[in-house]
Amino acid sequence: KNEVEQSPQNLTAQEGEFITINCSYSVGISALHWLQQHPGGGIVSLFMLSSGKKKHGRLIATINIQEKHSSLHITASHPRDSAVYICAVRGLQGAQKLVFGQGTRLTINP
Amino acid sequence: NAGVMQNPRHLVRRRGQEARLRCSPMKGHSHVYWYRQLPEEGLKFMVYLQKENIIDESGMPKERFSAEFPKEGPSILRIQQVVRGDSAAYFCASSELPMGTNEKLFFGSGTQLSVL
Repeated sequence: KNEVEQSPQNLTAQEGEFITINCSYSVGISALHWLQQHPGGGIVSLFMLSSGKKKHGRLIATINIQEKHSSLHITASHPRDSAVYICAVRGLQGAQKLVFGQGTRLTINP
Repeated sequence: NAGVMQNPRHLVRRRGQEARLRCSPMKGHSHVYWYRQLPEEGLKFMVYLQKENIIDESGMPKERFSAEFPKEGPSILRIQQVVRGDSAAYFCASSELPMGTNEKLFFGSGTQLSVL
């Protein structure tokens, strides 16, 4: 079993739909990252969370440390949101390496 | 600020050749991380370097792979005697400070290595 599991692996939705991508992890962490990988391969850091909730535009990320679970939500989805979304966790005690989930491939159809 | 620059964007090597991948971090960033993404697999940590020092190389294969981040110039990931299994996308990321609760990572566009 991977330390970081994402669901679903693939998600196709219509423009305007509310999107939820889930991430569960099995180790103690100091922070969780959500990343976006564009079809061309480039990676952008969307959020870094250690507790609670963060919002940026149409994107919302939440984390529940007790349940070892995080969600990434996209409101009013748009075809330009089509990408692979990756969850990554950083361990405790000053750990610098990230452990990544397999990614969720999101396709938003017009 | 040009962002994290990786070159080349694509690199083709024959089995047994050497591959050198370069990463110039963002201006003012002294922390560099290398990750590998094998086909149809997730990203995997390889190595974390500060200027002139390797801090954590726990994700690096024991043989043929090495990394450096000299005082001047880019960070280099070097793969000697490449094999087909080394074919992957190699990403570099940088940060101004060590990753802490508020530190954001900036990624390069990656180098796609293809071994023939």
